[in-house]
Amino acid sequence: DIQMTQSPSSLSASVGDRVTITCRASQGITNSLAWYQQKVGKAPRLLLYGASRLESGVPSRFSGSGSGTDYTLTISSLQSEDFLIYYCQQYYSAPYTFGQGTKLEIK
Amino acid sequence: QVQLVESGGDLVKPGGSLRLSCAASGFNFNDYYMSWIRQAPGKGLQWISYISTTSTYTEYADSVKGRFTISRDNAKNSLFLHMHSLRAEDTAVYYCVREKSQTSGSYYDYWGRGTLVTVSS
Repeated sequence: DIQMTQSPSSLSASVGDRVTITCRASQGITNSLAWYQQKVGKAPRLLLYGASRLESGVPSRFSGSGSGTDYTLTISSLQSEDFLIYYCQQYYSAPYTFGQGTKLEIK
Repeated sequence: QVQLVESGGDLVKPGGSLRLSCAASGFNFNDYYMSWIRQAPGKGLQWISYISTTSTYTEYADSVKGRFTISRDNAKNSLFLHMHSLRAEDTAVYYCVREKSQTSGSYYDYWGRGTLVTVSS
């Protein structure tokens, strides 16, 4: 199985900050990567797929990049509603696996 | 709009059985692979099982293989997960999820709100 490692596990930031979350795969996944956002107690929400493609309805302050084994999710200017948990997921090889999550906290 | 509504979660003793259901609406259910994904309390996300559009193909995570069975009823726009020989480590919120298929694989574009399964004596 492909292991997905996110860093950091938690991140403190302020409204308006630019933040980046990293996801590293244990082998190359050729941009077959999705990012999700989750509020505690709620279902995850798809943000991006194909490493950099924004899902319909997702604000443009979210962006993704990367290649090979290393990918990033960037939020250009944090809003109060963004202080949630973020997960990456590879869909290059079954079983499709998730990172352990990054909790974004208000500083 | 797309809706996925799970039901059937409950408190069950170790070794017990449970059937989860998911009612789908707002899209052509027949056209999509579907999956179950679970999340243990305070933990991350784990894919459990998927089923193809006509039920021809199913796959399971190693942790549930031989104990869980996924099925669907396209006439009723419903997805099911039959769970047997339940263990404490199966305690989790179980999400019904629609797969968006790509050339390489699938990501998950719609999620239900989840149903809680608790395995405890």
